[in-house]
Amino acid sequence: GAGVSQTPSNKVTEKGKYVELRCDPISGHTALYWYRQSLGQGPEFLIYFQGTGAADDSGLPNDRFFAVRPEGSVSTLKIQRTERGDSAVYLCASATGVGETQYFGPGTRLLVL
Amino acid sequence: DQQVKQNSPSLSVQEGRISILNCDYTNSMFDYFLWYKKYPAEGPTFLISISSIKDKNEDGRFTVFLNKSAKHLSLHIVPSQPGDSAVYFCAAHNQGGKLIFGQGTELSVKP
Repeated sequence: GAGVSQTPSNKVTEKGKYVELRCDPISGHTALYWYRQSLGQGPEFLIYFQGTGAADDSGLPNDRFFAVRPEGSVSTLKIQRTERGDSAVYLCASATGVGETQYFGPGTRLLVL
Repeated sequence: DQQVKQNSPSLSVQEGRISILNCDYTNSMFDYFLWYKKYPAEGPTFLISISSIKDKNEDGRFTVFLNKSAKHLSLHIVPSQPGDSAVYFCAAHNQGGKLIFGQGTELSVKP
């Protein structure tokens, strides 16, 4: 079946702009996770959803970052007033439930100029 | 603080030999450990996992060993194949959902 998909695959924006990154999880997966990976590092947790609600948003770096999952399926990560330090690969993963194996999408490569 | 550490950024192995990738952790509350494999421009792919109540899990050429007293786990690949060349990440979680990843080890398997 289809895996996790993320759009866009690449995004170039200017400092100060607003961006939205989209994640389509595997059908039927109730848990959805966002991570950020900088060059030479492992993925770092941002936020996860169980259903529609954010169960843990402790990894969001500041209030410029926000994520939603209004219908318990697709999720959007929103970044306001982007900064050059936000440049990274943003990864989404989904799982059948919390604590179950997470399956990752290909990521969105964000470059803030 | 880095709760999960992979101290070797790279490893080079001859085809057919064993690859051993190592991972150390500091949080004794971690109850589940996973290894992911990542090719360039792709997301991490789940490889193998182990619960903290076990000390070994095997799946084909891949075996993960867990030493809780040493807070250490390792991934063994036998025999190594050129297609195994990738970055390998160790990850852990503690009953919650989020994974804590190591920095990764780049494995190169030479023909």
